[in-house]
Amino acid sequence: DSGVTQTPKHLITATGQRVTLRCSPRSGDLSVYWYQQSLDQGLQFLIQYYNGEERAKGNILERFSAQQFPDLHSELNLSSLELGDSALYFCASSKSTTPVAELFFGEGSRLTVL
Amino acid sequence: AQSVTQLGSHVSVSEGALVLLRCNYSSSVPPYLFWYVQYPNQGLQLLLKYTSAATLVKGINGFEAEFKKSETSFHLTKPSAHMSDAAEYFCAVTDSGYSTLTFGKGTMLLVSP
Repeated sequence: DSGVTQTPKHLITATGQRVTLRCSPRSGDLSVYWYQQSLDQGLQFLIQYYNGEERAKGNILERFSAQQFPDLHSELNLSSLELGDSALYFCASSKSTTPVAELFFGEGSRLTVL
Repeated sequence: AQSVTQLGSHVSVSEGALVLLRCNYSSSVPPYLFWYVQYPNQGLQLLLKYTSAATLVKGINGFEAEFKKSETSFHLTKPSAHMSDAAEYFCAVTDSGYSTLTFGKGTMLLVSP
């Protein structure tokens, strides 16, 4: 158990819909990272927050947004969903501002868009 | 931009055999390099990381990796495979500002009895 909690574990929705994925980092970790894992693209970095502020941005679509709240949990919002958004979405946390420190990954939220 | 290439999407070995998973990177500055492992239905966990302190890095579960700058490689090895090593292994490299981590596509290790 990494200590990172992600909900929901599985989510099935339709194209055009909006979903929210939630992540609770390990106790004491200030950084939260979001990654998308798909068969064709592999593991893609989406975005990082550190203590409530956006720290780094990767290949995140404009239809996607994220935030980190004062209690340090984070949410990833995916809107106008397309079939290609079906993937496993991972959250990871660390104490550091950079990924040089070990990242602790949750078990992921599997999104299926029909 | 930094990138990682993992040779072989699948590697099969027999229990007790040498494990060799290949990773080559491209980076404009000396990178930090990592190997993460993903067991079925779990998130990734860190096996080991290279931070320029030593070229041979030892990790958990008997794995080690050697940084070879001349070959831009960071291959992962284990002398003797165990059934419990069956998992997907990801090599990763930091960008020049050490602000993001780019993962390779992963190599699935299959271990047969």
